Amino acid sequence: NAGVTQTPKFQVLKTGQSMTLQCAQDMNHNSMYWYRQDPGMGLRLIYYSASEGTTDKGEVPNGYNVSRLNKREFSLRLESAAPSQTSVYFCASERQTSSYNSPLHFGNGTRLTVT
Amino acid sequence: AQTVTQSQPEMSVQEAETVTLSCTYDTSESNYYLFWYKQPPSRQMILVIRQEAYKQQNATENRFSVNFQKAAKSFSLKISDSQLGDTAMYFCAFMKRETSGSRLTFGEGTQLTVNP
Repeated sequence: NAGVTQTPKFQVLKTGQSMTLQCAQDMNHNSMYWYRQDPGMGLRLIYYSASEGTTDKGEVPNGYNVSRLNKREFSLRLESAAPSQTSVYFCASERQTSSYNSPLHFGNGTRLTVT
Repeated sequence: AQTVTQSQPEMSVQEAETVTLSCTYDTSESNYYLFWYKQPPSRQMILVIRQEAYKQQNATENRFSVNFQKAAKSFSLKISDSQLGDTAMYFCAFMKRETSGSRLTFGEGTQLTVNP
């Protein structure tokens, strides 16, 4: 049972380059999330998808786009990378019903450096 | 908007001793969840313990327990019989209960070091 899988694990970009971070979960969860982690700031929500076909902005969406490709996959795209986007990125998923929220399950993160 | 504050950036404890990590939060909600996550050097986010706000009984998971004070908006984590493997960054997190996209709000984290 793989859980939440993120690729790549590490990436170095030059300013202005673009890339897509991939995330897939095999737990049949309906909600998926992208967070970034910066020193001294905990994790902050970038975008989330409550269900297939929907996406919404989180706390820090500027400079990012997302795609909920299907129920399993939720990708994060940086169109023109900036040094301020140097961070560790986490994908997470959750099963929600009208009466229950499961804890979030996290991937192992992607360390992105923008030079 | 919710805020979560962890006022202890770093803590250390001797192996086999007990340590308590502090967390306070601010919200106007009455129905919510609180979590403690552990992040070891491997970077993986691991759920330690979860508390539902409507439950008065404090959650426990083996050596981990919480002291949930709803009126004071306080949610501390107690680790008993500390082990070297408990060395990690610990994050307190708040989640408002929603049916469409629950958003976790994290504290800044507390780096715990367990010394032999």
